[in-house]
Order: sequence, then structure tokens, then C-alpha cells
Amino acid sequence: QSALTQPASVSGSPGQSITISCTGTSSDVGNYNLVSWYQQHPGKAPKLMIYEGIKRPSGVSNRFSGSKSGNTASLTISGLQAEDEADYYCCSYVGSGNFVFGGGTKLTVL
Amino acid sequence: EVQLVESGGGLVQPGGSLRLSCAASGFTFSSYWMTWVRQAPGKGLEWVANMKQDGSEKHYVDSMKDRFTISRDNAKNSLYLQMNSLRAEDTAVYYCARSFQSGNSDFGYWGQGTLVTVSS
Repeated sequence: QSALTQPASVSGSPGQSITISCTGTSSDVGNYNLVSWYQQHPGKAPKLMIYEGIKRPSGVSNRFSGSKSGNTASLTISGLQAEDEADYYCCSYVGSGNFVFGGGTKLTVL
Repeated sequence: EVQLVESGGGLVQPGGSLRLSCAASGFTFSSYWMTWVRQAPGKGLEWVANMKQDGSEKHYVDSMKDRFTISRDNAKNSLYLQMNSLRAEDTAVYYCARSFQSGNSDFGYWGQGTLVTVSS
């Protein structure tokens, strides 16, 4: 199972919106509404930000939203804040109980 | 409060074995899928294996299924990963994670990780 494709880096200024894409295939992202997104700050464990493609756990800011179109899922962060600077990973269910992560995207807040 | 605490990492020689443990608390352990995810130094996350609530299903990434074994003891609220024939490329922080809800769809809670270093 190949890793999902994410841009290596994205950047934005405070207050702006950015979108991180996560491209898979019709066997993973396109076949299941089971994409999740994780935020990871340096030296810390990942944190679930979005699950089942569009749902947000309680406690996660509503500035974070998820969507999907075909084989590509996206994470949008609106009203960018300095604390959003981190690595972001998408993950998709691929069937037979298995999962695959994206390569990760480093978000820089300018 | 959900807590996951990994242990058992350390330095091991190539070809050696190691057993990781994950102690869970703050929730009904037997009600959730449990997963191991690893992260090599400076690299991205990699899904390793997971196990159903009652242990009736376990799944592995293809590249590790012949060397790694996931198990759980619901009476002890613990998850394990037995790693054999370790290679340098297995060097990583290994995280234990719990599904957010009872299904097998994501990793809602994570431990702090335990570092495994494979080197002579």
C-alpha cells in the first residue's frame, strides 16, 4: 500500500486560510469516508484534528475543517494562528483493517 | 482522562527482539480498537498494526507481518507489540493509539511514544 500524497510544505500569514491536500486512489481515499487528520508539534505525539473526513472532535477549534472530492481529501485551516505551525498528516482506511498515512506536510506560519 | 503509556523501548542489536507494552487507563480498554504507529527519526508516521476489542482480528502492514506480533490483555488493560528480527530501519518512536470511538476508523488518543533503536 503506497503512502498518500501530501505537499511537503505549505505556508500562510496569520489570519489567512490554507488548505492541505491528501491524494490517494479509488482503493483508499476515494472508496471510504474514513480519512483522518493529525497535527504534530515537534517532539510531541500526534493529535486527532478531523475524523471520518469531516468530523471534528470536541475541543478542536472550528477553524479546522475537512472535505473530500474524489480521491483527494483536504484539510483547511482558517484564521491561521502561530500555534497552528506544525506537521500535519492525513490517514485513510484502505480496507481489510489496514490504514495508510500521508507523507506529512509542514505548515509554516509566516 | 484517557492515558496511554508505552514502555519497553531501548537499544537492541540487529536481529534482536523487543517487546513493547502500552498501559491504558481512564477508559474501558476492552471497548476499543488499539493500534501501533511508528515514526522513524525525522520521518513521517507509519501505521504498524491494530487489534480488535476482543482480539478476534489483528492486522499488520505487509512489511512487518512476518516479524511483528500485536496482542492485548484486556484484564490488564494492556497492549503489546512483539518485535523480532529487528533491523536498523525499525529504529523509530513507537506510539500506542486508541480509536476515537469504538469502530476501527482513526486514532483518537496517543501515548507519548517509546524509542526503539536498532544498532550494533
